[in-house]
Amino acid sequence: QVTLKESGPGILQPSQTLSLTCSFSGFSLSTYGMCVGWIRQSSGKGLEWLANIWWNDDKYYNPSLKNRLTISKDTSNNQAFLKITNMDTADTATYYCARGRGTFDYWGQGVMVTVSS
Amino acid sequence: DVQMTQSPSNLAASPGESVSINCKASKSISKYLAWYQQKPGKANKLLIYSGSTLQSGTPSRFSGSGSGTDFTLTIRNLEPEDFGLYYCQQHNEYPPTFGAGTKLELK
Repeated sequence: QVTLKESGPGILQPSQTLSLTCSFSGFSLSTYGMCVGWIRQSSGKGLEWLANIWWNDDKYYNPSLKNRLTISKDTSNNQAFLKITNMDTADTATYYCARGRGTFDYWGQGVMVTVSS
Repeated sequence: DVQMTQSPSNLAASPGESVSINCKASKSISKYLAWYQQKPGKANKLLIYSGSTLQSGTPSRFSGSGSGTDFTLTIRNLEPEDFGLYYCQQHNEYPPTFGAGTKLELK
């Protein structure tokens, strides 16, 4: 059974760095072809892909945010991470992690992140 | 980036009816289009990928068609659990991009 769960700070101030953790089970990020991605959704808006990390440590980022994103993984502990620097109120959103190989076949429930002073 | 335009934004229907949701890509994405369902309190669900391939567990009343730039999700004989938000996503190239969503509501 594949499950993913996101965790994060809930609220942070503008200019701070957001650190998110995706804890998953039912698959391994050391398996050939496996990938975990991060996607976000602002309130009442659509889905925006942020980054992917693959089993071989290849990383892909959304060009619109690339300079601010860092994705990483801890294969031993079945976790993936996303850092976003210089957070702004416009980054307030629900952040999802998902297992993906092009499409995202399993998603976490999401973690809401609010950026406010 | 490939822009994905979904229509309609809102759709009202009754159980038992059939509905179609459209997704148009700004350039050809071959067959690489996925459909997701989003419902409050539930994880997003992949329904269809590669245009017409049903994800394991997706009921057969769902079908996808299209290639190139124009795609359609059809739901036949709507069930009460089908009401919610639907998104398309192109998985032909980076960055993956999503449509703005279609809200399927009970009439």
